[in-house]
Amino acid sequence: DGGITQSPKYLFRKEGQNVTLSCEQNLNHDAMYWYRQDPGQGLRLIYYSQIVNDFQKGDIAEGYSVSREKKESFPLTVTSAQKNPTAFYLCASSISTESNQPQHFGDGTRLSIL
Amino acid sequence: GDSVTQMEGPVTLSEEAFLTINCTYTATGYPSLFWYVQYPGEGLQLLLKATKADDKGSNKGFEATYRKETTSFHLEKGSVQVSDSAVYFCALFDSGSARQLTFGSGTQLTVLP
Repeated sequence: DGGITQSPKYLFRKEGQNVTLSCEQNLNHDAMYWYRQDPGQGLRLIYYSQIVNDFQKGDIAEGYSVSREKKESFPLTVTSAQKNPTAFYLCASSISTESNQPQHFGDGTRLSIL
Repeated sequence: GDSVTQMEGPVTLSEEAFLTINCTYTATGYPSLFWYVQYPGEGLQLLLKATKADDKGSNKGFEATYRKETTSFHLEKGSVQVSDSAVYFCALFDSGSARQLTFGSGTQLTVLP
């Protein structure tokens, strides 16, 4: 079945450590997105990518980095510069950023600080 | 800029009750509107969508009508079930803006047997 796979489901980070969240899709979508969700709040866009080897900052990019070397993959690195990284992270994809076709979401990664 | 305002939760209903979750929006262009549902510990799933004024999206007994005159997209269901307990997000896509979805803050729905 086509879909989006995020791993791991739970992740723990020590202070000062970088961690990378994986996101893979087999939907053949050009566009991919990373969102952060905090309790009782909506989703905030961290980064998005319209096409391979291209990505753009979203509303809260500080302390995060991404790469898009393959169409299927859009990993997110939470760096030590992100002072409040504890959150639920959601990856999504869509046919393109120009389209009003819906975004498809993975099941998320919950990141916690030890 | 674009924004979505949702009815504050949490909402608690008895099984078979009528559900309304209000959603209003502001947008610079002519947005497409979506409702997403999030079950505990999972990502978001598309529930329904409408792409132009007066369109009605529907799925699994849920409905929402795109009302341009009131800039609203309220979610309704005639008879809720325990399995409908989830968080519901209203969202808009405005091709005239930053080509991203703008989400409301979500409404937690709990349905009691």
